[in-house]
Amino acid sequence: KAGVTQTPRYLIKTRGQQVTLSCSPISGHRSVSWYQQTPGQGLQFLFEYFSETQRNKGNFPGRFSGRQFSNSRSEMNVSTLELGDSALYLCASSLGGPEDEQFFGPGTRLTVL
Amino acid sequence: AQSVTQLDSHVSVSEGTPVLLRCNYSSSYSPSLFWYVQHPNKGLQLLLKYTSAATLVKGINGFEAEFKKSETSFHLTKPSAHMSDAAEYFCVVRLMNTGFQKLVFGTGTRLLVSP
Repeated sequence: KAGVTQTPRYLIKTRGQQVTLSCSPISGHRSVSWYQQTPGQGLQFLFEYFSETQRNKGNFPGRFSGRQFSNSRSEMNVSTLELGDSALYLCASSLGGPEDEQFFGPGTRLTVL
Repeated sequence: AQSVTQLDSHVSVSEGTPVLLRCNYSSSYSPSLFWYVQHPNKGLQLLLKYTSAATLVKGINGFEAEFKKSETSFHLTKPSAHMSDAAEYFCVVRLMNTGFQKLVFGTGTRLLVSP
């Protein structure tokens, strides 16, 4: 069974631009969660989608948004990029139950210049 | 609020010696705890998890962790370090009392293994 895939693996953008990251979950998984990893703040929860609905969100500004499609693939969008948005963005998929294991993708490394 | 504290940002060991990575948790009820490992430029891999079935949990690659309620600890150990164990390790608590998944990560411990 294929693992969680994220595209692209690397991105370079400039301040003020917007970016869209994609995550394809493991087949059969209906939940996709997104995390931001930075050296200063560590790993922080962004939001979770389940059956095309945002089910939970962390404490990030509205510039960070996401969506999930009927095939469970998810996209994350960041608008008006800031230097501080440079990070590794990880997504994780699971079956969606509160005790189901989350499987992580390799991440997308975003650099904002 | 539930949280985890990793007591060491860096741990250095020699190959073949024991590994101890320390984690304390804070929770008002019995938590679900995990250890994840992250190798450079890779995603996170689950090493082991505690969900109240047994206090001594065995994971992959020879790692194990013991849940100690009296000490609010969930330390990760391995009897003999291997060079391939060099990575960053995260202690994680899963928020309970909710109908959905949310993981709260510790700040990470970087394990350095020297020959």
